[in-house]
Amino acid sequence: DAGVIQSPRHEVTEMGQEVTLRCKPISGHDYLFWYRQTMMRGLELLIYFNNNVPIDDSGMPEDRFSAKMPNASFSTLKIQPSEPRDSAVYFCASSLPGGGYEQYFGPGTRLTVT
Amino acid sequence: GQQVMQIPQYQHVQEGEDFTTYCNSSTTLSNIQWYKQRPGGHPVFLIQLVKSGEVKKQKRLTFQFGEAKKNSSLHITATQTTDVGTYFCAGTGAGSYQLTFGKGTKLSVIP
Repeated sequence: DAGVIQSPRHEVTEMGQEVTLRCKPISGHDYLFWYRQTMMRGLELLIYFNNNVPIDDSGMPEDRFSAKMPNASFSTLKIQPSEPRDSAVYFCASSLPGGGYEQYFGPGTRLTVT
Repeated sequence: GQQVMQIPQYQHVQEGEDFTTYCNSSTTLSNIQWYKQRPGGHPVFLIQLVKSGEVKKQKRLTFQFGEAKKNSSLHITATQTTDVGTYFCAGTGAGSYQLTFGKGTKLSVIP
C-alpha cells in the first residue's frame, strides 16, 4: 500500500484566496483525521471522520475552514478565504476500523499564505 | 477539555547518553500512544500502551504507562544520531477515538 497520500505537498497562496488540500487514506481504513501543526500550537486535531461521516469538528478554527469526505478514498480540507495565520503544515491521518488504533500520517501539506 | 503536557520541550544529549521524556494528562486516559517525527517528516507511530502500569520495550526504547493512567514516559538508552527527532505522546480519553497530542520533546544528539 502507498500509505496516506496528500496533495499538494507545498502550497503558496495570497491572502484571501481559496485553498483546497486533498487526502487519500489507506484502503480499508475507516477513520480519517485532519491535523494542523505549527511551532506555537503544536499538533492540533481539526476534524475527524468515521465511515465518511464527520464525527467531531470542534477543532476547526472558524467558518473559513470546511472539510468533506465524499467517499471512503478521498477527503478535502478547504480554507476560504485564507489568511496569513493559516500558514502551517496540514496532516491527514487514517486508522483501522474499530477505533483506538495507531494513526498513519500522510507526508503533509506545507501551506504558506502571504 | 483534555490536555496533555509533555516535558522537556527540548533535550540536547551527547551520543551515548540516555534520554527521557515525560507526559502528563489532565484526565485519565484509555490509552496512550507515542509517535516520532523526524525533521521535515510526519509523525510515525511507535507504540500504544493500554494497561495501568504497563511497560513495553523496543530495543533501546522503554515506554511506561502510569498506574493511574494519567502519565507516561519514554526512555531511550544510549542515544544514537538516528534517534534525532521530536517525540510526541498522544492520549485517548474514555469513549473517544481522537488523540490529544502533547507538544512534543525535540531531541538533538551531539555526535
